[in-house]
Amino acid sequence: AIQMTQSPTSLSASVGDRVTITCRASQGITNDLGWYQQKPGKAPKLLIYAASSLQSGVSSRFSGSGYGTDFTLTISSLQPEDFATYYCLQDYNYPWTFGQGTTVEIK
Amino acid sequence: QVQLQESGPGLLKPSETLSLTCTVSGNSISSGYYWGWIRQPPGKGLEWIGNIYYRGSTYYNPSLKTRVTISVDTSKNQFSLKLTSLTAADTAIYYCARVYGDIDFWGQGTLVTVSS
Repeated sequence: AIQMTQSPTSLSASVGDRVTITCRASQGITNDLGWYQQKPGKAPKLLIYAASSLQSGVSSRFSGSGYGTDFTLTISSLQPEDFATYYCLQDYNYPWTFGQGTTVEIK
Repeated sequence: QVQLQESGPGLLKPSETLSLTCTVSGNSISSGYYWGWIRQPPGKGLEWIGNIYYRGSTYYNPSLKTRVTISVDTSKNQFSLKLTSLTAADTAIYYCARVYGDIDFWGQGTLVTVSS
């Protein structure tokens, strides 16, 4: 199975900060990667699909990049509603695998 | 707007079988998408369980493959998860979801606790 390694595991940031989360695949997955946001007690929400495409209805302050093994989720200017846990998911091949998650906390 | 709703028992005993149903509204289950199940132990990360195509093709996580079955009932616009030989490690929130490339719509999740 492809392993997805996210970093950092957690981070503290202030409103307005630029935040970057990375995900590394144990083998190449082309651009078959999605990014999800999960708030406490809620289901995850798709933010980015195909590594860099913004899901409909998602704020443009979220962006994704990468291809092959290294991927990045960037929040350009952190807003109060962005404090949450973020996961990457590879859907290149089965079994699908998630990263372990990155919790973004208020500084 | 697509909506998915999980239903099933919330408390089961070790060795029992979990059966969950996901009812889909706002989208025909036969419209060409895949449908999936994901779980999340309390306070932990997400684990993909498996996907099914409306015609019945299934893909399972090898870590659960011997215990899991996903099926679809197009007449009821539902799909289901069955997980046998439960242990405490199966305690989790179980989500059903629509798969369109990525997982684009999720149910709200249902907590399943395995305890004697």
